[in-house]
Amino acid sequence: DQQVKQNSPSLSVQEGRISILNCDYTNSMFDYFLWYKKYPAEGPTFLISISSIKDKNEDGRFTVFLNKSAKHLSLHIVPSQPGDSAVYFCAAPDSNYQLIWGAGTKLIIKP
Amino acid sequence: NAGVMQNPRHLVRRRGQEARLRCSPMKGHSHVYWYRQLPEEGLKFMVYLQKENIIDESGMPKERFSAEFPKEGPSILRIQQVVRGDSAAYFCASSPTGQNTEAFFGQGTRLTVV
Repeated sequence: DQQVKQNSPSLSVQEGRISILNCDYTNSMFDYFLWYKKYPAEGPTFLISISSIKDKNEDGRFTVFLNKSAKHLSLHIVPSQPGDSAVYFCAAPDSNYQLIWGAGTKLIIKP
Repeated sequence: NAGVMQNPRHLVRRRGQEARLRCSPMKGHSHVYWYRQLPEEGLKFMVYLQKENIIDESGMPKERFSAEFPKEGPSILRIQQVVRGDSAAYFCASSPTGQNTEAFFGQGTRLTVV
């Protein structure tokens, strides 16, 4: 029962272009979403979040969009840089202490 | 202020042995979460602990797995009689409150069972 789904295992983008990572969820009770970035052999680091009362949150090169009716969110990175190459996870808290994670999307930024 | 420290970073065990994974939370954090990541999958919640208390262990397998967070010292995730299927990356996170959205993650322990 995958409540948070990231259907693209990997994505390759040219440096300087926009990267768009997608995430779908099935639980309509989710009201907060987070994106984490993970480099190999390291733990996930928090990137950006969005509350369900908003449809957009922006932080520098990173913007997250939320479409509640479609139960879909996306992370936009523009312009993409080589250091953005990592695995990106979408997650949502199920309760105060259980984060439900997607399977991740590996982003590769080509020079 | 050191981050969340996990050790060892890599652990190799033979089938049937015991594995002990340690997690020292960030200073001032009394809430610890353990997650497991199998290959090609996202992180899966295992257990949430506060000092000396297990708050929720609903994600933990009923047998062979246990966790503790003593008054002094690190949190320990213990796996008895390991099997090949236990091979995974185990991540610990800590937070100053019970909000897991404020948690910081350690670098993980990669357990390989041979």
